Amino acid sequence: DAGITQSPRHKVTETGTPVTLRCHQTENHRYMYWYRQDPGHGLRLIHYSYGVKDTDKGEVSDGYSVSRSKTEDFLLTLESATSSQTSVYFCAIRQTGAPYEQYFGPGTRLTVT
Amino acid sequence: RKEVEQDPGPFNVPEGATVAFNCTYSNSASQSFFWYRQDCRKEPKLLMSVYSSGNEDGRFTAQLNRASQYISLLIRDSKLSDSATYLCVVGNFGNEKLTFGTGTRLTIIP
Repeated sequence: DAGITQSPRHKVTETGTPVTLRCHQTENHRYMYWYRQDPGHGLRLIHYSYGVKDTDKGEVSDGYSVSRSKTEDFLLTLESATSSQTSVYFCAIRQTGAPYEQYFGPGTRLTVT
Repeated sequence: RKEVEQDPGPFNVPEGATVAFNCTYSNSASQSFFWYRQDCRKEPKLLMSVYSSGNEDGRFTAQLNRASQYISLLIRDSKLSDSATYLCVVGNFGNEKLTFGTGTRLTIIP
């Protein structure tokens, strides 16, 4: 158990509304990640953070923004949700030492109608 | 070509059998390699890291072939609880970013 929680665990929202997903960790890891998982695709990186206020884009960042104002919290915001953003969203942390494994939170299942 | 390629399966294997999965990766500069397992509607969980010399953890053995750019996972004496999707994962230096395969689905049959 890597001490990662995600909220909400399930959400249904309408197209065009903003949505914020929260990832919380209790072990002071520097690196945190947001992925999405869709059928036929591997997990794909949306954004990641390497410290407070330090973030960078992943391969599928369009339509998403992130913020990290505290070490323990990493927020993912869908500015204006679209049906293509219906997915399962996983947060992860990276261990400090080699081989730098990543551990995942339980996921948020988001449906955009 | 996908960065990480896996046979999606499904592999349906009788309990007690040995099963092997392979995975190929395209980036020769990749530095770290992992196998994760994912149960239905759950998060991926680290099964094992894969080291250059190969490594074993109980019934599980992982091998890395850098020359041919593939990773393998061998499961011996398979159990019903081994039924899951197995994800091959490759990382860059320091694992700042990981690239995931789409997974191989395994079902162990009683």
